Order: sequence, then structure tokens, then C-alpha cells
Amino acid sequence: GAGVSQSPSNKVTEKGKDVELRCDPISGHTALYWYRQSLGQGLEFLIYFQGNSAPDKSGLPSDRFSAERTGGSVSTLTIQRTQQEDSAVYLCASSPRQGPGNTIYFGEGSWLTVV
Amino acid sequence: AQSVTQPDIHITVSEGASLELRCNYSYGATPYLFWYVQSPGQGLQLLLKYFSGDTLVQGIKGFEAEFKRSQSSFNLRKPSVHWSDAAEYFCAVAPPPAGGTSYGKLTFGQGTILTVHP
Repeated sequence: GAGVSQSPSNKVTEKGKDVELRCDPISGHTALYWYRQSLGQGLEFLIYFQGNSAPDKSGLPSDRFSAERTGGSVSTLTIQRTQQEDSAVYLCASSPRQGPGNTIYFGEGSWLTVV
Repeated sequence: AQSVTQPDIHITVSEGASLELRCNYSYGATPYLFWYVQSPGQGLQLLLKYFSGDTLVQGIKGFEAEFKRSQSSFNLRKPSVHWSDAAEYFCAVAPPPAGGTSYGKLTFGQGTILTVHP
């Protein structure tokens, strides 16, 4: 596609439920990132995928959060047993490859509300 | 750990006036530096970036930024603001790639909301 595509754009879920957020990166981009944007914490790095390398999971806030990337393209961020503090906008981004000069392109985000 | 400070949470300017948004960073070495803009309901768009070389960087939409190593600053400027520039602006840093460290692991400032009066 023309840009990074995320779905759903909005999700309301009940506390304790699991949610899945999907990201379609720009075609051909090998690097994929998830960030979270919330009122209290601003923009935070969550996880990074680069090709077939092991992902950098250092930003995941708890073991309730996980992400996978299938076939080096689409990625799914899963939040288990959601809590109210998980309410945020989850942003996906991609870039052609790691290294200087590569612009990171962001999607419009998935707005998650936990009630 | 690196950190980014944007001292101004909210700035209001008149259309046609000049603009400067401040950004200071804390990092052991010179990181890669970025400015992003986010319009309401939109994703983040890269305005400009600095990796090395000329310390005055030109970006899109008439924006520029100047890297000052001695002040650990990367302030964003525009000589004449347009109403369409109203948005939230984020400064971000990333470590230079070394030993597998991801340059895409951005640390963002808290953002500066820009309001433009007609």
C-alpha cells in the first residue's frame, strides 16, 4: 500500500479481555516498529523487528504484551488481560532497513480504550 | 539513558510570525536527531533529521533546525508560520547504529502544541 496501514483504527474493550492490533507496513520495508502514545507517558518505544533477526522487545511494559511478525511483513501486537492503563494510541511504523538515512514512516495508529 | 526535553508544552503565534521550538537532549554521544509533526487524528510525519555534517538542516514545509553540540540542542525554526502549521511537534533522538543497536528505537520529547492565530 501507499503507507503504513493499521487496524482497527478504534477499539473499545472491557478490562480483562485480550486485544489484537494489526499493522501492514509499507511494501518492501524490512524494519517494523511499535510505539505507544498515551497522555501520561508520551510516545514510548515498544518493540522492533528487522528482517529475520530476533526482535528488540526491550520496550514492552509487561508480559501481557507480545508481538509477532509473520512472513517478514504483517505484524500483530497482542495485549492480554487488558487494564485501563493500557488505553492509548498504538502506532506502527516501518522503514526500508536499519541504518542512517532511512526515514521511519508512521501509521495513523490504533486508538485503544479499555473500560 | 538518553532523554529529550521540550521545555514548551504549548506555544501560540500569529500567522506570519516566526517560530522557534526548543529541544534539548541528554546522551553520551551525538545521537541522531529528528523532528516530527502530528496533526489531529494523523500519524507522525518526519519534518527533518540530522545525522552528521552541516549543522543547519532543511526540512519539509519550510522548516529548518540547527544542531548545537555545545548546548545539546536541536531547535526547530520557521521564518513565517502558516495556519496549517498548527499541530503537535515532537523532537526525538536515536542512538547511532553500533553493534546491532537499532537506530529506529526513538526516544521522544513530550511534544509542543502549536496554536496559530489568524
